[in-house]
Amino acid sequence: EPEVTQTPSHQVTQMGQEVILRCVPISNHLYFYWYRQILGQKVEFLVSFYNNEISEKSEIFDDQFSVERPDGSNFTLKIRSTKLEDSAMYFCASSSGTGYEQYFGPGTRLTVT
Amino acid sequence: GQNIDQPTEMTATEGAIVQINCTYQTSGFNGLFWYQQHAGEAPTFLSYNVLDGLEEKGRFSSFLSRSKGYSYLLLKELQMKDSASYLCAVTPPNSGGYQKVTFGTGTKLQVIP
Repeated sequence: EPEVTQTPSHQVTQMGQEVILRCVPISNHLYFYWYRQILGQKVEFLVSFYNNEISEKSEIFDDQFSVERPDGSNFTLKIRSTKLEDSAMYFCASSSGTGYEQYFGPGTRLTVT
Repeated sequence: GQNIDQPTEMTATEGAIVQINCTYQTSGFNGLFWYQQHAGEAPTFLSYNVLDGLEEKGRFSSFLSRSKGYSYLLLKELQMKDSASYLCAVTPPNSGGYQKVTFGTGTKLQVIP
């Protein structure tokens, strides 16, 4: 069964550093998403991406964040200057154009020290 | 904006039936998701309701009343593996395939022998 993959599974970085989280969505999917979940809190929408551009973004997704689909398979989330409060699990998801189900990847746990 | 309310925790016995309620207040509404999330894992899709009524899928059923801003997830023949958090989430109108999903805080279900 096709699945969304994410790398790395765990990333530790120092405050102020840039990080890039990587995702490989399901190959025939057209819509891509990033969510985050701070430990013990709810899942929060960050951004959706379609046709090589951002479709929607939340208030969390400020100028420190950017997304890119650099080739036909990868979908990345970049945080330019990490803060302590960026520590969270980051989930990538994808969906096809014909259904509403979003398939989530296993997540990248980001720890900012 | 969108506000979603779910009970924080519930406990039920193996083999029993449990109903997890979700109420929402939204400025606009398209549909309602239920996701299951085991501790430390990604959410997995359970159901998506757009129309009023009950949709059954195996041991899981989901109900929606748009006029009342109310949904529930019904789990039958509970198994120990059903111990997880159950996340209610809503999507705004006219979001099409790229959906800005707003999640509730989730209901942590513990199934006991």
